[in-house]
Amino acid sequence: DTAVSQTPKYLVTQMGNDKSIKCEQNLGHDTMYWYKQDSKKFLKIMFSYNNKELIINETVPNRFSPKSPDKAHLNLHINSLELGDSAVYFCAISTGGEAFFGQGTRLTVV
Amino acid sequence: KNEVEQSPQNLTAQEGEFITINCSYSVGISALHWLQQHPGGGIVSLFMLSSGKKKHGRLIATINIQEKHSSLHITASHPRDSAVYICAVERGSQGNLIFGKGTKLSVKP
Repeated sequence: DTAVSQTPKYLVTQMGNDKSIKCEQNLGHDTMYWYKQDSKKFLKIMFSYNNKELIINETVPNRFSPKSPDKAHLNLHINSLELGDSAVYFCAISTGGEAFFGQGTRLTVV
Repeated sequence: KNEVEQSPQNLTAQEGEFITINCSYSVGISALHWLQQHPGGGIVSLFMLSSGKKKHGRLIATINIQEKHSSLHITASHPRDSAVYICAVERGSQGNLIFGKGTKLSVKP
């Protein structure tokens, strides 16, 4: 049973579209994260959400918005997609003993 | 300069060799993580350290808090160890990770 489930694995879309990436965790942890991995494979924090409250927003454009309908879910909505948004996005949790990552979503904007 | 520096960036080894990957950080941390990312893209946690040393199978991770340095060792390396190894530090109570740029390891048979 996967601790963090993320869908879809691949997402190809045109510039200007709005898209969402879903994330669900089954460990009951309070804090969830979204990370972005750029073309050089460098990972960087985007958002941290703790019990439905936004804790970290690391200079991410307003077009990106995390939505947490409940403690187990943290979805990432992206409006007006741009070519530069192409990257791999990872949802994750950190339990204080181990970090768990979703499978990643490779977003390609064409 | 990145807060977490890894070396080397790329590493090629022959099967059976002993491998060391180094990580230095410049900020105060509550924990340090070693992660593995396979070509398929998934990220797996190998170790979380706050002090000392941990061992899991052929993998050993050490940390020196005073020197702000950690090492990941792989004994008797195997081609299936080929992956990108990422060092990441956790700061304070927020729990988010700050990542190194990764070390791409290729083990040849």
